[in-house]
Amino acid sequence: GAVVSQHPSWVICKSGTSVKIECRSLDFQATTMFWYRQFPKQSLMLMATSNEGSKATYEQGVEKDKFLINHASLTLSTLTVTSAHPEDSSFYICSARAEGARNTEAFFGQGTRLTVV
Amino acid sequence: SQQGEEDPQALSIQEGENATMNCSYKTSINNLQWYRQNSGRGLVHLILIRSNEREKHSGRLRVTLDTSKKSSSLLITASRAADTASYFCARYGNKLVFGAGTILRVKS
Repeated sequence: GAVVSQHPSWVICKSGTSVKIECRSLDFQATTMFWYRQFPKQSLMLMATSNEGSKATYEQGVEKDKFLINHASLTLSTLTVTSAHPEDSSFYICSARAEGARNTEAFFGQGTRLTVV
Repeated sequence: SQQGEEDPQALSIQEGENATMNCSYKTSINNLQWYRQNSGRGLVHLILIRSNEREKHSGRLRVTLDTSKKSSSLLITASRAADTASYFCARYGNKLVFGAGTILRVKS
């Protein structure tokens, strides 16, 4: 299957700083990427849908100024958690979809565990 | 809420028994996918079933889809301790939305 690489796999940062998470599709062009957040013992919550070359579409309740998403190329989307606080500590995971691939499996990155201290 | 209903929330069975998990949704779908996740780690894709399909098999896994009832089920036969994990259904319309998940524990 296609490979999606997410980096870093874990990060610890101080409260008030910003953290950038990268999601790369290694062997296909991802016109759409999805960003999820997962709190302990809960399911994955869709945060936003990122389309190459256009603004991301955020789900209700997700602050777009706090979670900046950039999808500048067909192989890279980034999520920046700005002014992180302890309540932002979570598992963040991206998923990529190839152009025209509406009826195939989604390909997920390995996830990033963010801890804000 | 993004998450449709998934039941049971938790399931504990003995090794060798079958495990059945159910998923319901409200909107139309292109396909429905089942994933496994071990202890908050990455997701493992199990099966994708398209909206025009009713049943699909993969090894010890069997997935059914009833679009009239907007529901799907995942059956794991002859369970093993290694099957202990969280299982999620994910519905794909124009975006992939996950259900609440079922925590499966298989006791050896």
